Amino acid sequence: EVQLVESGGDLIQPGGSLRLSCAASEFTVSRDYMTWVRQAPGKGLEWVSVLYSGRTYYADSVKGRFTISRDNSENTFYLQMNSLRAEDSAVYYCGRHQYGVGIDCWGQGTLVTVSS
Amino acid sequence: DIQMTQSPSTLSASVGDRVTITCRASQSISSWLAWYRQKPGKAPKLLISKASSLESGVPSTFSGSGSGTEFTLTISSLQPDDFATYYCQQYNNYPWTFGQGTKVEIK
Repeated sequence: EVQLVESGGDLIQPGGSLRLSCAASEFTVSRDYMTWVRQAPGKGLEWVSVLYSGRTYYADSVKGRFTISRDNSENTFYLQMNSLRAEDSAVYYCGRHQYGVGIDCWGQGTLVTVSS
Repeated sequence: DIQMTQSPSTLSASVGDRVTITCRASQSISSWLAWYRQKPGKAPKLLISKASSLESGVPSTFSGSGSGTEFTLTISSLQPDDFATYYCQQYNNYPWTFGQGTKVEIK
């Protein structure tokens, strides 16, 4: 079964760093667009970042602070989050975006809370 | 950045009703639009890709249409499982962007 399993969410102080992980099963992360989407409590979906074929793109709200990457040997991709702010608090979902289709596989979500 | 605007924000309907949600893009996105359904506490689920292609396993009561800047998601006969929040997403340009969501609630 095609599946994504996330980990790494936590309570972190403002200004801190955190790395989220997303492990894939039954498909290869290096062959698809791998993406992160977040959802603040009670709010809508916000696209965060995508990685494909070595190219990375980010939402303006996280550019310069967040970095998306992958480890092909682990079939896992990551979101490194630095200089965290209260407004980064959200459930973070990882996803596989198939070209021309959309995000057809989602992780279960991991909660990041930025608070002192 | 491309802004996606959904209307209405909330929609009250009954089982069996036909409902339509509109998504407008601030500039042309061709047909690079997806629709998702999200239930509370759950990850979104892809319903429609490329504006009008029904994903495998999605009931035929769902349909999508449109191109350019105006798109619609129609549910021809609302089922109990359909009371949820719906989002459109453009993937024509980076940054990809979502609409603000439309909550379909029970009348």
